[in-house]
Amino acid sequence: DAKTTQPNSMESNEEEPVHLPCNHSTISGTDYIHWYRQLPSQGPEYVIHGLTSNVNNRMASLAIAEDRKSSTLILHRATLRDAAVYYCILSRGGSQGNLIFGKGTKLSVKP
Amino acid sequence: DADVTQTPRNRITKTGKRIMLECSQTKGHDRMYWYRQDPGLGLRLIYYSFDVKDINKGEISDGYSVSRQAQAKFSLSLESAIPNQTALYFCATQTSGRRDTQYFGPGTRLTVL
Repeated sequence: DAKTTQPNSMESNEEEPVHLPCNHSTISGTDYIHWYRQLPSQGPEYVIHGLTSNVNNRMASLAIAEDRKSSTLILHRATLRDAAVYYCILSRGGSQGNLIFGKGTKLSVKP
Repeated sequence: DADVTQTPRNRITKTGKRIMLECSQTKGHDRMYWYRQDPGLGLRLIYYSFDVKDINKGEISDGYSVSRQAQAKFSLSLESAIPNQTALYFCATQTSGRRDTQYFGPGTRLTVL
């Protein structure tokens, strides 16, 4: 299974941009890159996903390297509510469709 | 109302007891999943179902069974609970395809004494 590597933890100051890196050097050509986050005491929630091109939505931006071996989730202005564990996940090809979670990056946001 | 609900939210039980965790969804999605989360770790897949007649084992299915009673309902059973099944359990739904978002329930915290 294709794996992702993320830093265990990161810190940010409130209202500053945050760049969360993810390495996925064994990604296959058809794997989508998904980001989910898990707030304390909640289930994971979808943040963003992409295949090759950079993506933007109301929550974040996803920058994907040209060789697709790494990506970066960008929170443009961190808020205290963004403190969570962020998971970078490669969607599996084939029939399963499940998400393979690693340990993620725990983001702390300081006021 | 939440799109994906799980009952109970918390459960404490004893070793050897049979436990059922229930998941209901109003999103109309065909695919449903059961995941388990241990402290400090990511989620691991227990079982998944693509429709009522299609149920598949995931990464860690031993000691668990499931039932897809309807498109909207997917239950997870522990036939004889053991302490190392103490964990947080999440149900999720998805339309179809690798690009599609999964929607997670709020989780059930299960403690087996």
